[in-house]
Amino acid sequence: DQQVKQNSPSLSVQEGRISILNCDYTNSMFDYFLWYKKYPAEGPTFLISISSIKDKNEDGRFTVFLNKSAKHLSLHIVPSQPGDSAVYFCAASESLHGSSNTGKLIFGQGTTLQVKP
Amino acid sequence: KAGVTQTPRYLIKTRGQQVTLSCSPISGHRSVSWYQQTPGQGLQFLFEYFSETQRNKGNFPGRFSGRQFSNSRSEMNVSTLELGDSALYLCASSFTAGGPFTDTQYFGPGTRLTVL
Repeated sequence: DQQVKQNSPSLSVQEGRISILNCDYTNSMFDYFLWYKKYPAEGPTFLISISSIKDKNEDGRFTVFLNKSAKHLSLHIVPSQPGDSAVYFCAASESLHGSSNTGKLIFGQGTTLQVKP
Repeated sequence: KAGVTQTPRYLIKTRGQQVTLSCSPISGHRSVSWYQQTPGQGLQFLFEYFSETQRNKGNFPGRFSGRQFSNSRSEMNVSTLELGDSALYLCASSFTAGGPFTDTQYFGPGTRLTVL
């Protein structure tokens, strides 16, 4: 049972345009969401996170939107740059609802983003 | 501030052997989580340690175990290796557990384990 889903395995955009990566989740207990970027043979690098008490969090070119009713989050990268080409994972956790599942991130399958010069 | 370090970076073992992987968290971080990444299953949670105690465990067989030391460094052990254990093993550290933003996990580069 995939609790976090990234339905698009790949995405290709032109440099300077917007990249939108999507993620859906099924577990209503998730209250903290993160996006990671990963290059081959390296560990994921934290990009941005959002708590369920917010619906938007912005950090430079990266913005994460959370729609709790739809159990959907998205990562916007504006403008996209060739160096953004990587695999992007969304992850979710139950940070706020007790300690039984803290420290455990549930990851989506990842979306490979290619930004063309 | 140094990041999460993992040793060794690469490891080749044969079936039936056992292996120990090491993870040193970011200074001040007390929580260490371990993940397995394979092409077919993606990133899957193995277990989490906080203050030398295992607080959470994923759906992996008992051949996978771990521990955490008083300095927050952690080791993961896999006994009786199987071909399917070939994967990138990642550890992540966070400052504490139980709240937003402090729970942000920072990953090490991983240990690539190949089982022949």
